[in-house]
Amino acid sequence: EDQVTQSPEALRLQEGESSSLNCSYTVSGLRGLFWYRQDPGKGPEFLFTLYSAGEEKEKERLKATLTKKESFLHITAPKPEDSATYLCASYTDKLIFGTGTRLQVFP
Amino acid sequence: NAGVTQTPKFRVLKTGQSMTLLCAQDMNHEYMYWYRQDPGMGLRLIHYSVGEGTTAKGEVPDGYNVSRLKKQNFLLGLESAAPSQTSVYFCASSYTWNTEAFFGQGTRLTVV
Repeated sequence: EDQVTQSPEALRLQEGESSSLNCSYTVSGLRGLFWYRQDPGKGPEFLFTLYSAGEEKEKERLKATLTKKESFLHITAPKPEDSATYLCASYTDKLIFGTGTRLQVFP
Repeated sequence: NAGVTQTPKFRVLKTGQSMTLLCAQDMNHEYMYWYRQDPGMGLRLIHYSVGEGTTAKGEVPDGYNVSRLKKQNFLLGLESAAPSQTSVYFCASSYTWNTEAFFGQGTRLTVV
């Protein structure tokens, strides 16, 4: 059964303290790995798509990487406005999400 | 350009009642999805559609039906609501499988 697992479930960081979020996947025929951000009471917003192992993408303080078994979302020098739940999702023939990592960045 | 619009935003149902959730997108997207989100469970795919007139089952399809009669609309039906269907429902659409999926604002459904 295809599965997407994210860790940690929750992460508290001080402003400026860099860290990484993990997304491990066991799927057959991965076509793409997606990262989304979700703020409370809102729908998820797209961040990145990764297609093959070794690929990296960056956006402001965020960098996403992909290996054959997992993806990482690296957050460099986070700010309080980066506080949100970060979701990863795998696409084979449908888009399946992990349970997310709830990130809190405090001043 | 409204994006993805879900109707209604909130609803309370009694056990056994039926209802339909409407998702409308104005971006000419082919792919549409219905998810439910529960605490600790993340987003779980209920049904999806890869084009007008097509539907397919996701991870948790039981108790739900869908229709995609028009390209811009994706309807989610609950024939006989159960308390286990209390959740926040999100609709999403994308142009194709590997393009950004846009989500609606969600529908909070409570079944009592």
